[in-house]
Amino acid sequence: SQTIHQWPATLVQPVGSPLSLECTVEGTSNPNLYWYRQAAGRGLQLLFYSVGIGQISSEVPQNLSASRPQDRQFILSSKKLLLSDSGFYLCAWSLGTPLYEQYFGPGTRLTVT
Amino acid sequence: DAKTTQPPSMDCAEGRAANLPCNHSTISGNEYVYWYRQIHSQGPQYIIHGLKNNETNEMASLIITEDRKSSTLILPHATLRDTAVYYCIVRVAGSNDYKLSFGAGTTVTVRA
Repeated sequence: SQTIHQWPATLVQPVGSPLSLECTVEGTSNPNLYWYRQAAGRGLQLLFYSVGIGQISSEVPQNLSASRPQDRQFILSSKKLLLSDSGFYLCAWSLGTPLYEQYFGPGTRLTVT
Repeated sequence: DAKTTQPPSMDCAEGRAANLPCNHSTISGNEYVYWYRQIHSQGPQYIIHGLKNNETNEMASLIITEDRKSSTLILPHATLRDTAVYYCIVRVAGSNDYKLSFGAGTTVTVRA
């Protein structure tokens, strides 16, 4: 069966520090991969998605970047964190066209101080 | 994607069926109805989806009206672990739009 891992689970970082969040999927090949952010009390915002290695699409301009160095690995990064980057970061995967359901990881709660 | 309307909250007694309504009066013929839920501090969880026929799986049943303008998610025997925010989403089949647009959803509280 497929599983999705995210780490770390929680993170507290000072403003201006770098960020690296990692997501890996097991049990499937060539998944679509997604990074979402959920600010406190708000809905999900899609940040990036990837349909293959090295293919990254950005949904909103921001302080973050994403990379997909391997088929089942998706990394979210920032060179300098802002206070507004605080939130709950979720990685998800799906197969096939966007019609198919997305499966979410456990999330990383980031607090920028 | 068509817009959906859900009640902001509802309570349900443990062991009873929970019926969660969703209005999607502007749904088009090629849009599917999806349901997800998000338990506090966890990622969203896919529940079920359908086009026009009623659907059932191990988690829930989805009843779609004949005109497809509304649907109901049924949790047959609610447990305390079903307390979550439930999201109803409609999406075009074969769309190139990868993002899931979650609205405010319905906060369901299951009480003992």
